[in-house]
Amino acid sequence: KQEVTQIPAALSVPEGENLVLNCSFTDSAIYNLQWFRQDPGKGLTSLLLIQSSQREQTSGRLNASLDKSSGRSTLYIAASQPGDSATYLCAVGGEGGSEKLVFGKGTKLTVNP
Amino acid sequence: DAMVIQNPRYQVTQFGKPVTLSCSQTLNHNVMYWYQQKSSQAPKLLFHYYDKDFNNEADTPDNFQSRRPNTSFCFLDIRSPGLGDAAMYLCATSSRVGGVGGYTFGSGTRLTVV
Repeated sequence: KQEVTQIPAALSVPEGENLVLNCSFTDSAIYNLQWFRQDPGKGLTSLLLIQSSQREQTSGRLNASLDKSSGRSTLYIAASQPGDSATYLCAVGGEGGSEKLVFGKGTKLTVNP
Repeated sequence: DAMVIQNPRYQVTQFGKPVTLSCSQTLNHNVMYWYQQKSSQAPKLLFHYYDKDFNNEADTPDNFQSRRPNTSFCFLDIRSPGLGDAAMYLCATSSRVGGVGGYTFGSGTRLTVV
């Protein structure tokens, strides 16, 4: 059974700092890994999608990496801003052909002005 | 813009009174999903449709049912809501089996049971 763990559960940083969020998963047989952002009381916004054959994806100040063999992914946020404050969720998809997208519990990020 | 739309954004229902949540998509994706997310927890898959083929997760309570009358719409029916069913309900779509192309989520419906 796939399990996804995100560390830390919460993170508070000053504005402008570069930061890394971590995600680990137990079964490396995945199709893809996706990072989402969730604002309080809202749905999920997709940030980056990494296919199993890829090592990383970049979008603006965000960079996500994937190491399938070790079951790890990181989300790097450069020059953080108060508007980046949200919960960041990591999810792995297509484990063993399954439709299930398995999520971590998320990292709650607070960027202080 | 192509998107996934959930209605309503907020739903209050009485204990035991049936309630239906709706989801529509303009992406023409084959697969539609319903996830339940309780406070401070990870979203949990309830069921999904591949076209009209319905797939139930083993631990989804019988109280939850779903309908997909066409490609664009999918409904979540809760037959007799209990206090423990209060949660955010998220609808998602993907274009291919296993979500190979990634998943697109709606804004969610927050359900309160009183």
